[in-house]
Amino acid sequence: SQQGEEDPQALSIQEGENATMNCSYKTSINNLQWYRQNSGRGLVHLILIRSNEREKHSGRLRVTLDTSKKSSSLLITASRAADTASYFCATDEDQGGKLIFGQGTELSVKP
Amino acid sequence: GAVVSQHPSWVICKSGTSVKIECRSLDFQATTMFWYRQFPKQSLMLMATSNEGSKATYEQGVEKDKFLINHASLTLSTLTVTSAHPEDSSFYICSAREDLYNEQFFGPGTRLTVL
Repeated sequence: SQQGEEDPQALSIQEGENATMNCSYKTSINNLQWYRQNSGRGLVHLILIRSNEREKHSGRLRVTLDTSKKSSSLLITASRAADTASYFCATDEDQGGKLIFGQGTELSVKP
Repeated sequence: GAVVSQHPSWVICKSGTSVKIECRSLDFQATTMFWYRQFPKQSLMLMATSNEGSKATYEQGVEKDKFLINHASLTLSTLTVTSAHPEDSSFYICSAREDLYNEQFFGPGTRLTVL
């Protein structure tokens, strides 16, 4: 079952611009994670934010979490062509490790 | 970092045959592993939770007799797609939840094409 939705479904920007992707979910969560997937490849874990955290940074990535709105955002600053990929959020509801993925955002960064 | 491998990375088979996909945690133990399926341009859909030494837990709508899961050791889970049909063609991804810190690591995926 799919947990939530991401928007936009597709995003096209120029190199150097910032990219913001949003994720909404439906139930209570323990944590929310963001993953990246290059076309036809496996997932790369980007960042995990716990339910009691509101913001987290990792390099050019900034993730926010608003549990009252059941939403999260991923900001990639100073984007590069190599950031071109699909980005998924995933929620962990019960500490059992079962992840429910959002629909994903396909990001295209043009050089 | 922890590594999860999948074998094969891709497979092409004829309709009606069975295909086994292996998921291995290479340098850690994983009592729990997960199997996902991903159709082109879509997200990952959880198929089942694989538990070492016990039966797998399947998500609603996933046929357990068609997608056989065996988790015989702490480092290996297998997914067998029985009597595969073209609609089973997909990208199958496993993940392994490391026992000590409960971190989860994903395999590189297996692309199945059923002719």
